[in-house]
This record gives sequence, C-alpha cells and structure tokens, in this order.
Amino acid sequence: ETGVTQSPTHLIKTRGQQVTLRCSSQSGHNTVSWYQQALGQGPQFIFQYYREEENGRGNFPPRFSGLQFPNYSSELNVNALELDDSALYLCASSLSAGTSGNEQFFGPGTRLTVL
Amino acid sequence: AQSVTQPDIHITVSEGASLELRCNYSYGATHYLFWYVQSPGQGLQLLLKYFSGDTLVQGIKGFEAEFKRSQSSFNLRKPSVHWSDAAEYFCAVGGYNNNDMRFGAGTRLTVKP
Repeated sequence: ETGVTQSPTHLIKTRGQQVTLRCSSQSGHNTVSWYQQALGQGPQFIFQYYREEENGRGNFPPRFSGLQFPNYSSELNVNALELDDSALYLCASSLSAGTSGNEQFFGPGTRLTVL
Repeated sequence: AQSVTQPDIHITVSEGASLELRCNYSYGATHYLFWYVQSPGQGLQLLLKYFSGDTLVQGIKGFEAEFKRSQSSFNLRKPSVHWSDAAEYFCAVGGYNNNDMRFGAGTRLTVKP
C-alpha cells in the first residue's frame, strides 16, 4: 500500500509568481486536506476536497485554490505569491469525509520558499 | 472560537524519565482530540485520538492521553521516554469531517542521554 506522496519536495519562487503543489492520496482514500505549516508553528488548515468538491475551507484568501481529480489526487495552487507564503505545505488523505473521525495520513510535505 | 494551546514550547527530559505534554483547547461543537508527532523533515504521524468513552486513551509507541472535560485539557503522557521520542508534538482538535482541524503550535521534545 502506497502512502501519501507530495511533489516537489522543495521549491523556490519569487514574489508574485504562481505555484502548483501536488499530492497523491493513499490508496482507497477519497478525501484530501491541505495544510500550511509556517516555521515554528502548527499546521493551519487550508481546505479539504471530498469526491472532487471543496468540503471546507480555512481562513485563507482566494488566491489559494485547489483541485481534486477522479483518482483523488489533488493540487494546491497559490497565485501572486507573497513572502509570508513561505512554509511547509502538508497534504493529508483520509478514507472518507463522510465518516466521522477518520485518521488522516500525512505526506512529507513540500517546502516552499518565496524570495 | 476554536483554539488549541500548548503552553510548553520546548521540553527536555532524560531518557527513561516520564513525560507529560500539556494541551488545552476550546471548541464549540462535538469534537475529536488528537496528538500527532512530527520528526524533522517528516509529515505528521497520529499517536492517538479521542472522541468519547473512556477518558484515558492508549496510543502507539507507549503513549497515552487523558481527556479532562472540566479543564478542557488533553495531556499526553509516557511513563519512560526513549531517545527516539525526540520530535515535535502537536495537539489538535477537529470536528466530524476533519475539515476544520486546529493544531497547537507544538512542543519540541529533547531527550538527554
């Protein structure tokens, strides 16, 4: 069974650019959540996708957007990058958002640096 | 407002000593409580979770946590710490679908030989 994978591992962008981060969910999982973890902080919930639809969003501006594909993999897109977007971006998949308390399995993250 | 507070930013314990990491939370609706561990360069791994029932929850790697409703606390404990336990520990609270999870700022654990 393959775990949650994320690509790329590291990324360096400049302010104003756009970035796309990718996540492959664990086999059999139809729910993907994205988190931003700034240095020295806990993860902050960005949004969740369940069966290709957004299923909850945290306090992030619209320039943070996402997609989920029929195979349940997911993308996080960030437009007009700002310096404060520098962080570790974590993806987590779970069996189903339709069932309570499912364990989330986290990927290793993508480290984004904005210069 | 939902929030999680981990009062201790950094804790150092000797190998073999007992450990308690503190967590206080505020959450309006029915909720789950979680403890995760994060090693350097790694994602988060679930140690244990609580929803209802017995207030003392057993997890992996010899960890346990106790839910105390009156204190809004969910402290993590381990009787005897191993050097491999050195990591960052996060307490989190979430609702039904995990689509509004709140994490604390984390407690970094250092283990002395």
